[in-house]
Amino acid sequence: HSALTQPPSASGSPGQSVTISCTGTSSDVGGYNSVSWYQQHPGKAPKLMIYEVTKRPSGVPDRFSGSKSGNTASLTVSGLQAEDEADYYCSSYGGSNNLVFGGGTKLTVL
Amino acid sequence: EVQLVESGGGLVQPGGSLRLSCAASGFTFSTYWMSWVRQAPGKGLEWVANIKQDGSEKFYVDSVKGRFTISRDNAKNSLYLQMNSLRAEDTAVYYCARASIAASRDYWGQGTLVTVSS
Repeated sequence: HSALTQPPSASGSPGQSVTISCTGTSSDVGGYNSVSWYQQHPGKAPKLMIYEVTKRPSGVPDRFSGSKSGNTASLTVSGLQAEDEADYYCSSYGGSNNLVFGGGTKLTVL
Repeated sequence: EVQLVESGGGLVQPGGSLRLSCAASGFTFSTYWMSWVRQAPGKGLEWVANIKQDGSEKFYVDSVKGRFTISRDNAKNSLYLQMNSLRAEDTAVYYCARASIAASRDYWGQGTLVTVSS
């Protein structure tokens, strides 16, 4: 499986909304409702933000939301805050007990 | 509180071996699939391996098949990654992670750095 495709960067001003895309194929993103999103601050471990395309783990602000259409999943961060500045990675089940990640998107809060 | 603590990283020469460990606490370790995920310096995340609750099923990314072995000891609440025939491209921070709903990884350790260099 090739890595999922994410834009290398995204940005927005405080209070604005930003959407990050994650494009795969029918063998991964499009074939399963198993897309997750992770937030990673510099030097820290990834943190699960969204699982099963749209669901938020306990403690994740509802400013974070996920969706999927066909082979592309999206993460939307609404009401941007300074602490949202981080790298974001999508992942998807790729069949045969494989997991595939996106290349990551660096989100900058202007 | 769920905790995953990796250890065993370090500097190793190309062709060498290293064994990583991950100590789990705060949950019933024996009831979860577990994974290793790595991140090369300045790069993205890459799934490395999965292991079933009882260790009976193991899966690997193609680039490490035949060189890495994932294992676990449920009595010790520990996950392992034996890495042989190491290459420069295996240089990365290695994270252990708990597998959860819909292929998500809901808890991660702090990572351990493996550097393969002469």
